[in-house]
Amino acid sequence: DTAVSQTPKYLVTQMGNDKSIKCEQNLGHDTMYWYKQDSKKFLKIMFSYNNKELIINETVPNRFSPKSPDKAHLNLHINSLELGDSAVYFCASSPGLAGFYEQYFGPGTRLTVT
Amino acid sequence: QKEVEQNSGPLSVPEGAIASLNCTYSDRVSQSFFWYRQYSGKSPELIMSIYSNGDKEDGRFTAQLNKASQYVSLLIRDSQPSDSATYLCAVSSSASKIIFGSGTRLSIRP
Repeated sequence: DTAVSQTPKYLVTQMGNDKSIKCEQNLGHDTMYWYKQDSKKFLKIMFSYNNKELIINETVPNRFSPKSPDKAHLNLHINSLELGDSAVYFCASSPGLAGFYEQYFGPGTRLTVT
Repeated sequence: QKEVEQNSGPLSVPEGAIASLNCTYSDRVSQSFFWYRQYSGKSPELIMSIYSNGDKEDGRFTAQLNKASQYVSLLIRDSQPSDSATYLCAVSSSASKIIFGSGTRLSIRP
């Protein structure tokens, strides 16, 4: 199936731990994103990569570090997890820059920090 | 001032009626506008994109854009219970970034 996939789907961990979320797209898209959706359903951009180059880095704590080994993959590593990091994290991709193209979202990773 | 504003709802519409969802945005230079649908516990999926003033129709969905008034709307004709979801308006703020509204929850009552 052509899609955007994320692993894991659910992640429950304790404060202070370090965790990673992986994302892969097989749509042949050039641009990938990480979004955070909080409990109020507000969807906010965190990072965007275009052809492996970081082009958007919003005001996100530097405990969050994205990494794009190639155009099809974008991973998110989070250090020293905090309660406020609990949210659903969506990976997305688009054929080109977000300002011009629709985005395709992965299924999301529900992160719960206890 | 929020960059993209939507009424959070819930908007309750009888089955078969027209559902009208509205969105206003603050950046006058925005060029691209998108409507996404998000079912509870699922990821957003694109319904419509619109780039120029006027109406754009796709099946039961019509997107309307008025750049002078800085609003974009989505009409759903012959509403079905399966249309019950949260509808997210997204507006380009630059070539590389779009801003999402907080969404309008739509409920279609049988």
